[in-house]
Amino acid sequence: DAGVIQSPRHEVTEMGQEVTLRCKPISGHDYLFWYRQTMMRGLELLIYFNNNVPIDDSGMPEDRFSAKMPNASFSTLKIQPSEPRDSAVYFCASSSGDRAYEQYFGPGTRLTVT
Amino acid sequence: LAKTTQPISMDSYEGQEVNITCSHNNIATNDYITWYQQFPSQGPRFIIQGYKTKVTNEVASLFIPADRKSSTLSLPRVSLSDTAVYYCLVGDMNSGGYQKVTFGTGTKLQVIP
Repeated sequence: DAGVIQSPRHEVTEMGQEVTLRCKPISGHDYLFWYRQTMMRGLELLIYFNNNVPIDDSGMPEDRFSAKMPNASFSTLKIQPSEPRDSAVYFCASSSGDRAYEQYFGPGTRLTVT
Repeated sequence: LAKTTQPISMDSYEGQEVNITCSHNNIATNDYITWYQQFPSQGPRFIIQGYKTKVTNEVASLFIPADRKSSTLSLPRVSLSDTAVYYCLVGDMNSGGYQKVTFGTGTKLQVIP
């Protein structure tokens, strides 16, 4: 397996624009996680899915953020409208069943909002 | 969620054994202890998990005393490539499914030649 795949790897956008981050989890994994990492706040869990269903979105900072998982092999994290304070590295991770804590992280998307 | 406390940073010379301790005084009965490693510009990577006593794999050992209020990650004979941030996580694995945990600030290990 190629591991967790994220795209794009880098995104630079202007304030107010819509940003969509994409993730393909490892095949067969039933958990999918979206994290955000900044120097100030560290690694924060934004939302996670189990069997394509959002389970806990309490980490989503505000209504500008939304995440979907239309099928077992694809998820998106959308920010609309984007703001400079959204600049961060966004990681997607997946894991499986009773080893849900053994998460496999993607390479991340570095988002810069100017 | 159990709160964890780790040293912010540590330095070690190549070839030495490194022990990173994590305090989790309010750990609950169902909580497990999990450690992750994060290299610069990469996502975290699972290292090891344990509940009590000692767990060892090809990368590290995890020591958990009887009261489980702390744990120690032991890295044998570190090399420069072990320079990374190490995170200690504590969470419930017996309640069915995944229970949310937090990564905290981690310990930044710098291995010196």
